[in-house]
Amino acid sequence: DGGITQSPKYLFRKEGQNVTLSCEQNLNHDAMYWYRQDPGQGLRLIYYSQIVNDFQKGDIAEGYSVSREKKESFPLTVTSAQKNPTAFYLCASSIGSTGELFFGEGSRLTVL
Amino acid sequence: ELKVEQNPLFLSMQEGKNYTIYCNYSTTSDRLYWYRQDPGKSLESLFVLLSNGAVKQEGRLMASLDTKARLSTLHITAAVHDLSATYFCAVETGGGADGLTFGKGTHLIIQP
Repeated sequence: DGGITQSPKYLFRKEGQNVTLSCEQNLNHDAMYWYRQDPGQGLRLIYYSQIVNDFQKGDIAEGYSVSREKKESFPLTVTSAQKNPTAFYLCASSIGSTGELFFGEGSRLTVL
Repeated sequence: ELKVEQNPLFLSMQEGKNYTIYCNYSTTSDRLYWYRQDPGKSLESLFVLLSNGAVKQEGRLMASLDTKARLSTLHITAAVHDLSATYFCAVETGGGADGLTFGKGTHLIIQP
């Protein structure tokens, strides 16, 4: 089945450690996105990529990094520079011609 | 900066009642999206509204878009418990592939 796979679903990290969240899609979508959701809040855009080997910062990119070496994959690294990384992270993709986003199941990161 | 405001942010209602959730946005856009999120889960696409006057209906939910007023509504008819969830509206941030800007969400509880 076509879809977006995020892993891991749950992740615990000690302060000062970098962690990488995986996002893979087999929808053949050109554009991919990372959003962060905090309790009781809407979604905020971290990074997005419209084509392979290119990506743009969203509203809250500080403390995060991404790569887009393959069309199917858009991993997100949460670095130790991110001051408050505990959150629910959602990866999404879109065809690009419209803005409709299709979401993965999410990764919940907790910093201990 | 694009702002998307939903109201109410929290709504508790009884089964069988009707209610409307409002979504206002600050810049011109012809496209608006509604999503549903169940607790601890990802976002599921409900409606894609692509032009002024667009109206979409699915079961007890109906969404409409007035681009001149920069307003979308999500109307719930004869609510049932299964509709309890958080509902988000979202507007295209720029072009089709620049991502969406989300409202904070409306947390809807429907009580028997």
